[in-house]
Amino acid sequence: KQEVTQIPAALSVPEGENLVLNCSFTDSAIYNLQWFRQDPGKGLTSLLLIQSSQREQTSGRLNASLDKSSGRSTLYIAASQPGDSATYLCAVDRGSTLGRLYFGRGTQLTVWP
Amino acid sequence: DAMVIQNPRYQVTQFGKPVTLSCSQTLNHNVMYWYQQKSSQAPKLLFHYYDKDFNNEADTPDNFQSRRPNTSFCFLDIRSPGLGDAAMYLCATSKSAGTIGSYNEQFFGPGTRLTVL
Repeated sequence: KQEVTQIPAALSVPEGENLVLNCSFTDSAIYNLQWFRQDPGKGLTSLLLIQSSQREQTSGRLNASLDKSSGRSTLYIAASQPGDSATYLCAVDRGSTLGRLYFGRGTQLTVWP
Repeated sequence: DAMVIQNPRYQVTQFGKPVTLSCSQTLNHNVMYWYQQKSSQAPKLLFHYYDKDFNNEADTPDNFQSRRPNTSFCFLDIRSPGLGDAAMYLCATSKSAGTIGSYNEQFFGPGTRLTVL
């Protein structure tokens, strides 16, 4: 069974810092990894999707990397802002035809002014 | 804008009283999913539809049922809600070519928060 772990569970930083969120998974036979953002009481917003043939994806101040062999992904947030405060979840797809996702519990990020 | 819509956003029901949650999408995606997310936990897949084909997760309780009358709509029925069913219910969609590895991004709705009294 695929287990997804996210460290740290919570992170509080001052505005402007560069930060790294970590995601690890137990079964390296994945096809895709997706990072999501979740605001309190809301649904999930897709941030980045990394296909298994890729090593990283970038969108604005966000950069996500994937190392399948070690079972790890990192989400790098540059120049953090208070508006980045949210829970960040990673999810992996083991490659079924239907894209079944296995989620981590998320990292709760607080960026204070 | 193409999107995933869930209604209602907040639902309060009584212990044992059936409840139905609704999801609709304008993305024309062929796969629709229902997830349950309890406080501070990871979303857990309950079941999904590939077109009209229903796929139930092995550990989804029989108390949970789903219907997909057409491509755009999908419903989650909870036949006899218990206190442990209080959670956020998330609907998601994706476009799959039906082969391994053809999975594309999943797009989520805003969720329905269910309270059971």
